Amino acid sequence: EADIYQTPRYLVIGTGKKITLECSQTMGHDKMYWYQQDPGMELHLIHYSYGVNSTEKGDLSSESTVSRIRTEHFPLTLESARPSHTSQYLCASSEHLTGGRYGYTFGSGTRLTVV
Amino acid sequence: AQKVTQAQTEISVVEKEDVTLDCVYETRDTTYYLFWYKQPPSGELVFLIRRNSFDEQNEISGRYSWNFQKSTSSFNFTITASQVVDSAVYFCALSEGNYGQNFVFGPGTRLSVLP
Repeated sequence: EADIYQTPRYLVIGTGKKITLECSQTMGHDKMYWYQQDPGMELHLIHYSYGVNSTEKGDLSSESTVSRIRTEHFPLTLESARPSHTSQYLCASSEHLTGGRYGYTFGSGTRLTVV
Repeated sequence: AQKVTQAQTEISVVEKEDVTLDCVYETRDTTYYLFWYKQPPSGELVFLIRRNSFDEQNEISGRYSWNFQKSTSSFNFTITASQVVDSAVYFCALSEGNYGQNFVFGPGTRLSVLP
């Protein structure tokens, strides 16, 4: 039973569209993260948050933006999608920065294809 | 800076063979945490184990075992009597206790277990 939910699971959209990838967790974790990953390849941190109203950019530059208005919700938005944004986006949360007892908990991911 | 190396990009074994996935890490911190995650073809990341830098005791969980050696900065993962369902990409990750702001993932090792 998942404690962190991502929707949609798959998304195919046209170039120039605005999209929002949803991520919600029910564990009350303060720390949340977005990773970008090409299938089976390295994970790249693009955004993270320490808590409500806190957002930071990650190691990999991304044209996406995030918001954290509620503890449980950490949506990612692309204002104008391009084919280069085609990738898998993984959301995660943790009890502590170091991962807590169970490390980061990941959602199932959103596989985005921009045509 | 913290760094994780997984030198094996891809490994193929025949079912029932034992296989070891290597992980070598670099950190300047004395307190740190090491993790292994499994990513099956469905895409989600599944937490397998977390070890802290003060606990070098090896761990066994069913067919899985982990060998943590600080002297060689390694945290290797062995699957005994591999099964087709073990086919996945496996990621090793490091989080520093004092200086780390988030995880550093290794590049992953793709394991294929053939019937």
